[in-house]
Amino acid sequence: EADIYQTPRYLVIGTGKKITLECSQTMGHDKMYWYQQDPGMELHLIHYSYGVNSTEKGDLSSESTVSRIRTEHFPLTLESARPSHTSQYLCASSESSGTDTQYFGPGTRLTVL
Amino acid sequence: DQQVKQNSPSLSVQEGRISILNCDYTNSMFDYFLWYKKYPAEGPTFLISISSIKDKNEDGRFTVFLNKSAKHLSLHIVPSQPGDSAVYFCAASGNSNSGYALNFGKGTSLLVTP
Repeated sequence: EADIYQTPRYLVIGTGKKITLECSQTMGHDKMYWYQQDPGMELHLIHYSYGVNSTEKGDLSSESTVSRIRTEHFPLTLESARPSHTSQYLCASSESSGTDTQYFGPGTRLTVL
Repeated sequence: DQQVKQNSPSLSVQEGRISILNCDYTNSMFDYFLWYKKYPAEGPTFLISISSIKDKNEDGRFTVFLNKSAKHLSLHIVPSQPGDSAVYFCAASGNSNSGYALNFGKGTSLLVTP
């Protein structure tokens, strides 16, 4: 069973607020990912990390930023939230090899009013 | 440009029968394929995977078949149970340019009726 956690699970905030979505894993995985998913749509990669101090942008353009100061922690920050940021944000991690399984956290459902 | 396609948005099956979920992909560089199960407002749960060197992988009630020449894979669930009702996502990886991130289909919503 995967040990990957996300907080908060649900968040409703007003436009212009700064928010940080937390993601942590206890499996010692090097690679971590952030995906964004809207209802009825596929998951889109927005950020990934190969390890500590490594961050890259994914295929889907996002105004969010990430950091990877510790192996187990991969937070995502929105400096100024907008209604277009309303979505589900999913964090995942995997071991450092090409053909491996990604394990997902429970997700954060973000609503920006 | 969507590289993984699940053309059936929904599927309804009777309890005890076989559920077959289909997935097509376009990128011949993909070499690892996975199926995830997802409930609303939760993260995807890994079900089963298959490497491109195989054409079949079985785990309990779940079997994944891969046809590389057709760029097609399918998930068979036998027998189907009401608890299997969820959205099933097909995913593929193999692109090292994005850290082997997964490419997902849009999902197929499976309903298993008693």
